[in-house]
Amino acid sequence: GAGVSQSPSNKVTEKGKDVELRCDPISGHTALYWYRQRLGQGLEFLIYFQGNSAPDKSGLPSDRFSAERTGESVSTLTIQRTQQEDSAVYLCASSLLGTLSYEQYFGPGTRLTVT
Amino acid sequence: DQQVKQNSPSLSVQEGRISILNCDYTNSMFDYFLWYKKYPAEGPTFLISISSIKDKNEDGRFTVFLNKSAKHLSLHIVPSQPGDSAVYFCAASGSRQGGSEKLVFGKGTKLTVNP
Repeated sequence: GAGVSQSPSNKVTEKGKDVELRCDPISGHTALYWYRQRLGQGLEFLIYFQGNSAPDKSGLPSDRFSAERTGESVSTLTIQRTQQEDSAVYLCASSLLGTLSYEQYFGPGTRLTVT
Repeated sequence: DQQVKQNSPSLSVQEGRISILNCDYTNSMFDYFLWYKKYPAEGPTFLISISSIKDKNEDGRFTVFLNKSAKHLSLHIVPSQPGDSAVYFCAASGSRQGGSEKLVFGKGTKLTVNP
């Protein structure tokens, strides 16, 4: 079946502009996660959705970052007034809750470059 | 404050030999550990996991060992193959905090298997 997809694959934006990143999880997966990976760093948790609600937003670095999920499916991560330090690969993952394996399936990521 | 540490940024081994990737963690609340493999321009893919109630889990050429008292785990790949060349991330998940099943990742170890 189809895996997790993300769009766009690459995004170059000017400092101060807003960007929207999209994630389409695996159908039927109730949990959805956003992570980011800055150059030379590990993956950094941003936000977790269970269904359409977000019980854990603890990783969002500032109030410029927000995310929503609709229809227990697609999610959008929005970054307002982008800064150069926002440059990173933004990864989305989904998982089927209730399993013991905690396995999260990742999309290919969106590479964001803020100039 | 890095809760999951992979202290070797890179590792080079000869084809057919054993690759050993190490990971240390600091949070005693972690109860599930995973290894992910990542190729360039792709999202991480799940490789193998281990619950804290076990000390070893094996899947084909891949074995993960967990030493809870030392808060240390390792991934053994034997025999190593050139196709194993990738970045390997260690990740941990703890008791649900606010329902979150977020993963905490190390910075990764780049494995190169030479023919």
